[in-house]
Amino acid sequence: GAVVSQHPSWVICKSGTSVKIECRSLDFQATTMFWYRQFPKQSLMLMATSNEGSKATYEQGVEKDKFLINHASLTLSTLTVTSAHPEDSSFYICSSGGAAYQETQYFGPGTRLLVL
Amino acid sequence: QKEVEQNSGPLSVPEGAIASLNCTYSDRGSQSFFWYRQYSGKSPELIMSIYSNGDKEDGRFTAQLNKASQYVSLLIRDSQPSDSATYLCAVRGSARQLTFGSGTQLTVLP
Repeated sequence: GAVVSQHPSWVICKSGTSVKIECRSLDFQATTMFWYRQFPKQSLMLMATSNEGSKATYEQGVEKDKFLINHASLTLSTLTVTSAHPEDSSFYICSSGGAAYQETQYFGPGTRLLVL
Repeated sequence: QKEVEQNSGPLSVPEGAIASLNCTYSDRGSQSFFWYRQYSGKSPELIMSIYSNGDKEDGRFTAQLNKASQYVSLLIRDSQPSDSATYLCAVRGSARQLTFGSGTQLTVLP
């Protein structure tokens, strides 16, 4: 299957700082990438759909000014959590592919964010 | 009503038994169905995908789809302790986005 990488895998930051998470598709070009968030003991919740060369589409309840998404190339999407607070502490996972019928979504290894 | 519902866990089975995981969905326009396995602290990994009614087998795993009943299941034969994980049912609906169920935690007892 396709390979998706994320960086960093772990980040601890102070409240009020901004954190950037990178998601790369390593062996194929991804016009669409997805960003999910997973709180402990809960399932994955889609935050936004990142489209190469255009604005991201955010799910209801997700603050677009707080979670900035940039998809400047076919292999890289970034999620920036601005002015992070402890309630933003979560497991952030990106995925690539899967926008078309019978196309599989492959997930990156995830980034665990802890805001102190 | 949740869009994708999975049978509540946790589910425990003895080693060598068949584990049965169930999932129902509400969007009749759904076309693609996936089972992912997620180990604690890790991201999901794809186990099976199924698009047509009936059964699809891959090794010890069998996915079953019944679109009329809006039901998809995963059977794990000869369960092993390494199968212990949370299993996520995911459905791609008419909006082309994946919607996940809440997951079923499976424990295979040695």
